[in-house]
Amino acid sequence: KAGVTQTPRYLIKTRGQQVTLSCSPISGHRSVSWYQQTPGQGLQFLFEYFSETQRNKGNFPGRFSGRQFSNSRSEMNVSTLELGDSALYLCASSLVRDRVYNEQFFGPGTRLTVL
Amino acid sequence: TQLLEQSPQFLSIQEGENLTVYCNSSSVFSSLQWYRQEPGEGPVLLVTVVTGGEVKKLKRLTFQFGDARKDSSLHITAAQPGDTGLYLCAGPDSSYKLIFGSGTRLLVRP
Repeated sequence: KAGVTQTPRYLIKTRGQQVTLSCSPISGHRSVSWYQQTPGQGLQFLFEYFSETQRNKGNFPGRFSGRQFSNSRSEMNVSTLELGDSALYLCASSLVRDRVYNEQFFGPGTRLTVL
Repeated sequence: TQLLEQSPQFLSIQEGENLTVYCNSSSVFSSLQWYRQEPGEGPVLLVTVVTGGEVKKLKRLTFQFGDARKDSSLHITAAQPGDTGLYLCAGPDSSYKLIFGSGTRLLVRP
């Protein structure tokens, strides 16, 4: 079974631009979550989508948004990029058999650099 | 706000040594997970512990969930260079968002 795939793997943007990242979950996984990983703040939850609906949201500004398509693929968008948005953005999918467990299967991430 | 604190932050040991990594919280978690992340990759799930006092073994790795479900530990026996990586503990908060600890960066020298 193929793992979680993310595109692109690397991205360089300048301040003020916007960016869209893509994620394809493991086949059969209906929940997709996004995380931001930085050296200073560690791994932080951005949002979770399930059946094309945002089910959970972390503590990030409205510049960060996402969506999920009917085939469970997901995209996240960051508008008006700031230097502090430079990070590894990780997508994870899960089976959602039981939300208490919420075991995540991560993709390799997209390394975003904002200049 | 539920927080997970990991210690130590960094660990550099010689191949063959044993080590323990800790994950602590003042809050009760319904379950805790351990992940390992290697450079350039996403975290990979190692184990999930659910019951207070539970012990799970994965080859040379032993995971324990505290009796009160507020802490967990990861013990590695006879560490190998292939164990090098960032070890993260994580648990779902009251709204099922996964909270991650700050991680323990392990380097096993040959």
